Amino acid sequence: GAGVSQSPSNKVTEKGKDVELRCDPISGHTALYWYRQSLGQGLEFLIYFQGNSAPDKSGLPSDRFSAERTGGSVSTLTIQRTQQEDSAVYLCASSPSGQGGDTQYFGPGTRLTVL
Amino acid sequence: SQQGEEDPQALSIQEGENATMNCSYKTSINNLQWYRQNSGRGLVHLILIRSNEREKHSGRLRVTLDTSKKSSSLLITASRAADTASYFCASGDNTNAGKSTFGDGTTLTVKP
Repeated sequence: GAGVSQSPSNKVTEKGKDVELRCDPISGHTALYWYRQSLGQGLEFLIYFQGNSAPDKSGLPSDRFSAERTGGSVSTLTIQRTQQEDSAVYLCASSPSGQGGDTQYFGPGTRLTVL
Repeated sequence: SQQGEEDPQALSIQEGENATMNCSYKTSINNLQWYRQNSGRGLVHLILIRSNEREKHSGRLRVTLDTSKKSSSLLITASRAADTASYFCASGDNTNAGKSTFGDGTTLTVKP
């Protein structure tokens, strides 16, 4: 079946502009995650959605970052007033149940470049 | 601080040799998983080991888990050039259901 998809695959924007990144999880997966990965670095957790529960936003680096998940499916990560340090690959993942340590299925990522 | 720290950070071996990567974590876990990443894109799940397991095999992969030392190792036997990638461990802890913590990864280069 279809895997996790993300769009756009690449985004170049100017400093100060807002950007929206989209994630389509695997159908039926209850949990959805956003991560950020800077060049040559590990994954930085940003936010986690599980079913109808309030999202875990503990990883969002500033109030310029927000995310929503509509209808328990598609998610959008929004970065307002982008800064150069926001340049990174943004990875989305979904998992079937969201239980502790559930296997996560990753999308190909969106590479964001802020000029 | 982030748990799930891998070492070495980088490993370079010849094709046919074995590669061993280690991971340490800080809190109690439900399970620990290893993922592979090619070219800085999406991660692919390789293998999961539960907290009550000590060793697990999948093809050329062998994973061990030592909960007393809060560490795990991933062994890739008879490596191939196609194994060149970054490898990450992810620990699923008991207090944050669903949320796994990823380490910084080990970059493996297998030279033909």
